Amino acid sequence: KAGVTQTPRYLIKTRGQQVTLSCSPISGHRSVSWYQQTPGQGLQFLFEYFSETQRNKGNFPGRFSGRQFSNSRSEMNVSTLELGDSALYLCASSLPPGLPTDTQYFGPGTRLTVL
Amino acid sequence: GENVEQHPSTLSVQEGDSAVIKCTYSDSASNYFPWYKQELGKRPQLIIDIRSNVGEKKDQRIAVTLNKTAKHFSLHITETQPEDSAVYFCAATTGSFGNEKLTFGTGTRLTIIP
Repeated sequence: KAGVTQTPRYLIKTRGQQVTLSCSPISGHRSVSWYQQTPGQGLQFLFEYFSETQRNKGNFPGRFSGRQFSNSRSEMNVSTLELGDSALYLCASSLPPGLPTDTQYFGPGTRLTVL
Repeated sequence: GENVEQHPSTLSVQEGDSAVIKCTYSDSASNYFPWYKQELGKRPQLIIDIRSNVGEKKDQRIAVTLNKTAKHFSLHITETQPEDSAVYFCAATTGSFGNEKLTFGTGTRLTIIP
């Protein structure tokens, strides 16, 4: 089975721009979670999608949003980028029923740099 | 509250010795505790997990122990090898039923000294 894939792998943007990141889960997985990873902060939970519905959301401003498609692929969008948004964005997928108590498999991440 | 604390933040161990990383959590409803290993430039990989109905789980050189009363769990690596060098993250499920998520610790950078 192919693993979780994320595109693009690297992205450089300037302040004020917006960005869309994509995540394709493992075939058959219906839950996708997104995390922001920064040095010293570990992995911060952004949101989780299951069956095209946002099931949970972390403590991030409204500039961070996401969605999930019928094929379980997910996108996250960050609008009005700030320097502090520079980070590695990871997505993780898990099997049905997609509860956090199911093993989460991570993608390679998208490294976002905001200048 | 939903908090997972992890200690130490860095750990250096002589090759062949054991390494122990400890995490504490605050949500008494937490019932799933995975550990992830992240090598430099790579994605986090699950190495072991434990659920709240057991107190210990082993997989070759790796073991995890859970003390639900004290709300802490630990990762034990025995006979450490250079390839064990990585950042290790603990996590715990937090949140109310139907709104659970994984909350991660801030990571432990483990260095194995040859």
